[in-house]
Amino acid sequence: QVQLQESGPGLVKPSETLSLSCTVSGASISTSYWSWIRQTPGRGLEWIGYISDGGTTNYNPSLKSRVTISVDMSTNHVSLKLTSVSAADTAVYFCARNFDYGASVWHDAFDVWGRGTLVTVSS
Amino acid sequence: QSVLTQPPSVSAAPGQRVTISCSGSNSVMRNDISWYQQVPGTAPKLLIYDTYKRPSGIPDRFSGSKSGTSATLAITGLQTGDEADYFCATWDPNVQSVFFGGGTNLAVL
Repeated sequence: QVQLQESGPGLVKPSETLSLSCTVSGASISTSYWSWIRQTPGRGLEWIGYISDGGTTNYNPSLKSRVTISVDMSTNHVSLKLTSVSAADTAVYFCARNFDYGASVWHDAFDVWGRGTLVTVSS
Repeated sequence: QSVLTQPPSVSAAPGQRVTISCSGSNSVMRNDISWYQQVPGTAPKLLIYDTYKRPSGIPDRFSGSKSGTSATLAITGLQTGDEADYFCATWDPNVQSVFFGGGTNLAVL
């Protein structure tokens, strides 16, 4: 059974860098695509980006200049870094696995999610 | 203006059938649609992918379809446990980004 667990600071100061980690258990991160998604009451769900099983990344154009998603194969972690944060980046952040079936990966289908972690941007 | 538009809320009685719409432009709706169920305080759960397919473990009470510029999630035999927020999503290859609808709150009265 694949499980994901997000971790990281719950409070980040404006203009600083938000750093989150997603621990993947029950599966190797080298065999799937992994995404980060955030949710706010006002803006709903927002896709941040993904990293493929081959290490290719793809980011939401609106966040692309500030986002980096990476993996650590040795620890089976997926990481998210978001620079120059502001109050607008306050959200619950989820890591999720992209659904795959056969040889296909769905960019908009996420079949395993972490519980999410609330990050508040405030001084 | 959202790329995918959903009604804010729908309601129906237990045992009834309800539909939730997700509309977008011609170009956006050419792509496949996914649907999610989210109970408050929990992560979204994948119900439908590739517009009408169900992942393993999702009951056939949930079905997806698409016609023109609108996709639809139908739920039959409504149960109180179906009360949740429902989101549609799509991948737009032209923009290389995933878009989510604003969500629809389902009340089972």
